Amino acid sequence: EVQLVESGGGLVQPGGSLRLSCAASGFTFSSYAMSWVRQAPGKGLEWVSVISGSGGSPFYADSVKGRFTFSRDNYRNTLYLQMNSLRAEDTAVYFCAKASSYDTGYFQYWGQGTLVTVSS
Amino acid sequence: DIQMTQSPSTLSASVGDRVTITCRASQSISSWLAWYQQKPGKAPKLLIYKASSLESGVPSRFSGSGSGTEFTLTISSLQPDDFATYYCQQYNIYSVSFGQGTKLEIK
Repeated sequence: EVQLVESGGGLVQPGGSLRLSCAASGFTFSSYAMSWVRQAPGKGLEWVSVISGSGGSPFYADSVKGRFTFSRDNYRNTLYLQMNSLRAEDTAVYFCAKASSYDTGYFQYWGQGTLVTVSS
Repeated sequence: DIQMTQSPSTLSASVGDRVTITCRASQSISSWLAWYQQKPGKAPKLLIYKASSLESGVPSRFSGSGSGTEFTLTISSLQPDDFATYYCQQYNIYSVSFGQGTKLEIK
């Protein structure tokens, strides 16, 4: 059974940093791209970033480029999203999702989400 | 970047109705389109991928069609469990994108 479990969310001040993790199990982790998708309170889904199965060259939404860094540890089956220079508009539930192929795709499996609140 | 536009933003319908949601892409995405259902406080659930392929376990009243830039999600006979928000997503290129969502409400 595929499981994705996010952690690391919480309250952080504007300009601060936070690192999210996503522990994956139930599939061959290194064979699939993974993504982060976020959802601000009462708003729609916003794609944040994708990383290929090997972990090379992540792609980012313009809204987070230069501030967020997406990485993966294929030995620990874990994803990391390092978020720096956080802004109020980064407040959202962050979901990790398993893509359907090695480099991109649709999302068949999602985690339960972790809430990030950026506020003073 | 590819922009995805859904219509309508809100749809009021009754149990048993046939409803259609439209998703338009700002450029051709072939058939690289998925549809999701989301209920409050939950992660999205995949319904359709590759524009018209039904995800395993999803009721057959859900169907998808289209290619290029115009796509539709149809629910043939609404059930009480179907009232939710629906999103389309393109995965033609690495930087995937979602439509803004369509909230399906009970009339």
